[in-house]
Amino acid sequence: DTEVTQTPKHLVMGMTNKKSLKCEQHMGHRAMYWYKQKAKKPPELMFVYSYEKLSINESVPSRFSPECPNSSLLNLHLHALQPEDSALYLCASATSTGPSSYEQYFGPGTRLTVT
Amino acid sequence: QKEVEQNSGPLSVPEGAIASLNCTYSDRGSQSFFWYRQYSGKSPELIMFIYSNGDKEDGRFTAQLNKASQYVSLLIRDSQPSDSATYLCAVIDSGGYQKVTFGIGTKLQVIP
Repeated sequence: DTEVTQTPKHLVMGMTNKKSLKCEQHMGHRAMYWYKQKAKKPPELMFVYSYEKLSINESVPSRFSPECPNSSLLNLHLHALQPEDSALYLCASATSTGPSSYEQYFGPGTRLTVT
Repeated sequence: QKEVEQNSGPLSVPEGAIASLNCTYSDRGSQSFFWYRQYSGKSPELIMFIYSNGDKEDGRFTAQLNKASQYVSLLIRDSQPSDSATYLCAVIDSGGYQKVTFGIGTKLQVIP
């Protein structure tokens, strides 16, 4: 299995809602990432988990809360978002070991719209 | 601020020609470099990675790295209309911790 899955594919939420994005991989990768991508822009790193521990938080607002319950699963909890948070949210994973440690494989993304 | 620079394009090439995509980076200590292809509305797909100076070939794709000049390029031979996409250059931060910086991407259009 060489796939990273993300659910849901699309999400529309109000500014007062609480929702979660889910990412799963079964490749044995020990590094997992959340990115945000706006139209015609490159992916922007938000968080990195390495061996289930948060290793990078790119000064992301606290309304985004990541969680890594186990080595295969990564969640992003959303609360009190703003319309400018509307974007494609991408999850990626990498082996974190050996010469291929930084090769990231992306999931299909969740298209988030905040109304 | 560590930067990865790409020309946003579009770069238009005729079908069958060689497409040449370029990327420069500011972090002299960077060791790992990647090219991703992203179709409109889809997620990035890893197509090439290179760690050593010189050329690396994989099918129709060749990645070239020159660390002294802080330059990495991607050549696509026999370009096909299906190659039309945005190509993102990505560089791993020399500070470790798997931090990746992406360039803005070059939009490639292969004209039939």
